[in-house]
Amino acid sequence: GDSVTQTEGPVTLSEGTSLTVNCSYETKQYPTLFWYVQYPGEGPQLLFKVPKANEKGSNRGFEATYNKEATSFHLQKASVQESDSAVYYCALGENNYAQGLTFGLGTRVSVFP
Amino acid sequence: NAGVIQTPRHKVTGKGQEATLWCEPISGHSAVFWYRQTIVQGLEFLTYFRNQAPIDDSGMPKERFSAQMPNQSHSTLKIQSTQPQDSAVYLCASSGGQGNTEVFFGKGTRLTVV
Repeated sequence: GDSVTQTEGPVTLSEGTSLTVNCSYETKQYPTLFWYVQYPGEGPQLLFKVPKANEKGSNRGFEATYNKEATSFHLQKASVQESDSAVYYCALGENNYAQGLTFGLGTRVSVFP
Repeated sequence: NAGVIQTPRHKVTGKGQEATLWCEPISGHSAVFWYRQTIVQGLEFLTYFRNQAPIDDSGMPKERFSAQMPNQSHSTLKIQSTQPQDSAVYLCASSGGQGNTEVFFGKGTRLTVV
């Protein structure tokens, strides 16, 4: 079945430094790839999604490129802020969502001033 | 738009008791999902309804878990004879349906079985 593997957390950073959270996936299909972010006491919320290989998604300074050859979808941000502290989930899903989304285990990111 | 509403936010049950969790999807959304979230397993897909019909329950533990969607405005997840290993945050999500549409999550119900 489908699977998603991402950087094991926690990741601790200082404000202004760069962030990379690695994500690799396995699937026999042609999925849409997602990054979700979850703040304490909230459900996961979509950060951005990329439906096609070799395309890039971005939002709030975060970006990731759908690399079909490497089966990767690494999340990057050049300069993090304290408000970026959250748990980040990489996920994949088929366009008809018949199987729901397959999530990675999540990466807790803590940014200190 | 209040988003996906889940009640209760917290529930404590004794071992062997029944727990019912409620979800109100976003109005007009035709797809409803249930997920279970734990530190060890992360987010696990449980079950999926589309237009109130059960489509996929491949993630549901067969013996004690059941989910229904009696109308388009709510879904329930019932756990019979709860066990400590059922302790988790249960998340409900909805989306507009088939196609490349966003899935919106509720804030979850934290179930603690003592």
